[in-house]
Amino acid sequence: AQSVTQLGSHVSVSEGALVLLRCNYSSSVPPYLFWYVQYPNQGLQLLLKYTSAATLVKGINGFEAEFKKSETSFHLTKPSAHMSDAAEYFCAVSDNAGNMLTFGGGTRLMVKP
Amino acid sequence: GAVVSQHPSWVICKSGTSVKIECRSLDFQATTMFWYRQFPKQSLMLMATSNEGSKATYEQGVEKDKFLINHASLTLSTLTVTSAHPEDSSFYICSASHSGGLNEQFFGPGTRLTVL
Repeated sequence: AQSVTQLGSHVSVSEGALVLLRCNYSSSVPPYLFWYVQYPNQGLQLLLKYTSAATLVKGINGFEAEFKKSETSFHLTKPSAHMSDAAEYFCAVSDNAGNMLTFGGGTRLMVKP
Repeated sequence: GAVVSQHPSWVICKSGTSVKIECRSLDFQATTMFWYRQFPKQSLMLMATSNEGSKATYEQGVEKDKFLINHASLTLSTLTVTSAHPEDSSFYICSASHSGGLNEQFFGPGTRLTVL
């Protein structure tokens, strides 16, 4: 069984500040890990994914995430927040056997001017 | 590439009616399609997984007779909410993957269903 925990359902940062969204996973097999962003009333857009290659993964819009097996974490970061980054962010895990995704509870990122 | 569309984007219906939501992969053949339900301010919950030409596999607690899923072709899956009730009001999102997709799902824009 797999599970994902996103610490902090709401994160607020000032524009230009560091963004850190936390994700911890549980998986009995080497995981594939994903971060998605969802804007209001829209579907999910893939930000980045880890598929057992480089542990530091760079995604779109300046986001990156680092896979740390020892900490079972895949935290999402961005050096400088922009107003347009305000959205809901979901971390997800899947196994290698199929395409089943398990989502975390989501983190709403708010960016203050 | 890998675009998934949903139709309609928003539907309002009366209680007791049935509503069909379409999910299409526009530029690839989707061997597997997924249907999710998302309540306000909550995460996505997988309802069912369907492979083209096969019966859908429903998650525990999802009524297969209420949420009818058809995946008749490699580019189209439909979700029909039968005899809809206000508690079925939700945001329904589909996703699609193909055999060469390295476990990546491509998501549609979602359909908001409001049952009066």
